[in-house]
Amino acid sequence: GDSVTQMEGPVTLSEEAFLTINCTYTATGYPSLFWYVQYPGEGLQLLLKATKADDKGSNKGFEATYRKETTSFHLEKGSVQVSDSAVYFCAHGGSQGNLIFGKGTKLSVKP
Amino acid sequence: DAGVIQSPRHEVTEMGQEVTLRCKPISGHNSLFWYRQTMMRGLELLIYFNNNVPIDDSGMPEDRFSAKMPNASFSTLKIQPSEPRDSAVYFCASSFGLEQFFGPGTRLTVL
Repeated sequence: GDSVTQMEGPVTLSEEAFLTINCTYTATGYPSLFWYVQYPGEGLQLLLKATKADDKGSNKGFEATYRKETTSFHLEKGSVQVSDSAVYFCAHGGSQGNLIFGKGTKLSVKP
Repeated sequence: DAGVIQSPRHEVTEMGQEVTLRCKPISGHNSLFWYRQTMMRGLELLIYFNNNVPIDDSGMPEDRFSAKMPNASFSTLKIQPSEPRDSAVYFCASSFGLEQFFGPGTRLTVL
C-alpha cells in the first residue's frame, strides 16, 4: 500500500551544518510530494512541495527534488540555524484526496 | 484569513467523562481531517470528510470515538467515555486540493 519512509531521528546538528533528511515513498503513479514542519507547540505547516518528476521545491533555504527513479524526496539545507529546530514530516498525495505522512524526523540544532 | 480554528486549546478531564473537540475549517475548503499525535504513535489520521461526508474512518480507534460534520464550517470529534490512553494532541486540518492547513491543536489530558 501507499507509504512514506523517513530517516529515523532525532538528528542533532551544530549551527551552520549541512542538513539532509531522507524520504522515500511507495505509491501508485506519480503523486505530489510535500515536506511539512512542526515547531514546538504548534500544528504542522507546509514547508515546500513538488508536483511532478524533477521539480524542485524550495522555501526558507530548504530544498527537495522529486526523483521518480528512486521514489525519493530528500530534504536539504546548506546551513541550519537554531530556529530550524522542529519536527519534519514528508508526505505524498493519496488516491482519495488525503495525504500519506511519514513518522516525522526531529531536528535539534545547537548553537 | 483566520486559519483553522480549534477549541478548546487545552482540555483536562477525568476518565469516563465525555469530551468534545471542535474545529472550524478555512472558508472555502471542502475537505476536513482529524489527526491524533502522541509520542508513542506519532501522527495518526483518525477520519476525514469531503464535502461534509465521511470518506474514511478506518483510523478511528474504537466505538468510543465519533466525528460529525453537520455543515461546511464546523466539525466535532467526540470521545465517550474518555480513557487515560486517549491523552494526546488532536489536530484538525482542512484543504481544497492536496495541501492541508493545520489548526493549532487541542491538548487533551484524561486523568
